[in-house]
Amino acid sequence: AQTVTQSQPEMSVQEAETVTLSCTYDTSESDYYLFWYKQPPSRQMILVIRQEAYKQQNATENRFSVNFQKAAKSFSLKISDSQLGDAAMYFCAYRSPFGNEKLTFGTGTRLTIIP
Amino acid sequence: DAGITQSPRHKVTETGTPVTLRCHQTENHRYMYWYRQDPGHGLRLIHYSYGVKDTDKGEVSDGYSVSRSKTEDFLLTLESATSSQTSVYFCAISARLAAVSTDTQYFGPGTRLTVL
Repeated sequence: AQTVTQSQPEMSVQEAETVTLSCTYDTSESDYYLFWYKQPPSRQMILVIRQEAYKQQNATENRFSVNFQKAAKSFSLKISDSQLGDAAMYFCAYRSPFGNEKLTFGTGTRLTIIP
Repeated sequence: DAGITQSPRHKVTETGTPVTLRCHQTENHRYMYWYRQDPGHGLRLIHYSYGVKDTDKGEVSDGYSVSRSKTEDFLLTLESATSSQTSVYFCAISARLAAVSTDTQYFGPGTRLTVL
């Protein structure tokens, strides 16, 4: 079974600075998908960014980008120019390309933005 | 917007009572999921459905049952609620929206359930 580990329960960053959230995973599959979700105080789960393992290019969505290291099984999220609205829980998730498409989540990192 | 609603949004109940949570989607997506979220555990899959009357268990299915009699509705039932089932419950669908090449899960707003 796949596992996802987020080793940073809490992080903080000054507004306008850059922060990187870590995620590692364990799998024996060669093809898979990785996701970062954001959960603000409203509790809504919001997709931030996705990465297909077969793509070597790191995904980017505006101020959000990932550093995908397939050999190291690492999938970190970089947030540039941090804004107050980025304050939230961030969850890393893994999906196999086969079967029921279910997600396996990490335990989350709480990000605080310091004004 | 994946058009997912959950009801109720909040519920307080007593141990031993039955509880049913409803997930409704408007886009006829095939896959639907129920997760629970607890501190220190992230989200964990309870049950999922891959079509009408087609369901299967996830990693934390004990004490829960599901039904899907229509494509748009996926019900989660706690036959006899226990305090350990106090949690936030999320419904999700798997969809390929807009110009995205990958099926991605989109979540409903969640239901906070408290079992006293």
